[in-house]
Amino acid sequence: GQQLNQSPQSMFIQEGEDVSMNCTSSSIFNTWLWYKQDPGEGPVLLIALYKAGELTSNGRLTAQFGITRKDSFLNISASIPSDVGIYFCAGQTAGGNEKLTFGTGTRLTIIP
Amino acid sequence: NAGVMQNPRHLVRRRGQEARLRCSPMKGHSHVYWYRQLPEEGLKFMVYLQKENIIDESGMPKERFSAEFPKEGPSILRIQQVVRGDSAAYFCASSPPSSGYEQYFGPGTRLTVT
Repeated sequence: GQQLNQSPQSMFIQEGEDVSMNCTSSSIFNTWLWYKQDPGEGPVLLIALYKAGELTSNGRLTAQFGITRKDSFLNISASIPSDVGIYFCAGQTAGGNEKLTFGTGTRLTIIP
Repeated sequence: NAGVMQNPRHLVRRRGQEARLRCSPMKGHSHVYWYRQLPEEGLKFMVYLQKENIIDESGMPKERFSAEFPKEGPSILRIQQVVRGDSAAYFCASSPPSSGYEQYFGPGTRLTVT
């Protein structure tokens, strides 16, 4: 089956630092989504990407859909305490109205 | 505009009992997806439904698990004769009829089997 590998698995940073994480796949995806999950809660949609090469921003978050359609990147600039949580990438193969395949997650911790 | 609603938030069942998990999609959404999450893992797809139809159940275990999304009322995920391995967080997501790219998740139901 399809697998999405995220790296790094965990990150420990200081407030104000920039963060980069990525997601790679063994097969092509036509839609990439990035979610954030807080403890005890459901995933919250951050950014959606629909075209290869697309670069999309949402406030301090920027995500890119890789040209090969097998990877995606998420960057967070000037991190703040509320950025703490687990970030998941997710992909769809056909695009729209189908299941999401989730990555393994990147746990972000901010050191005081 | 209320988001996806799930209840109960926490459910404790003894081995052999039945568990019923409910999901009400966002207003205007007619597509519902169920996912399961084990501790420290990502979400795994179980089943995708539209009103009165199961579209994709490729992630659903063949035995003891069933799902429905009736014409009226919430979507139900039913687990019969629960076992300890069923303990997990179960999340429901919904998407609008015109575009299913973006799925919005509920807060989840945490099932504990004792």
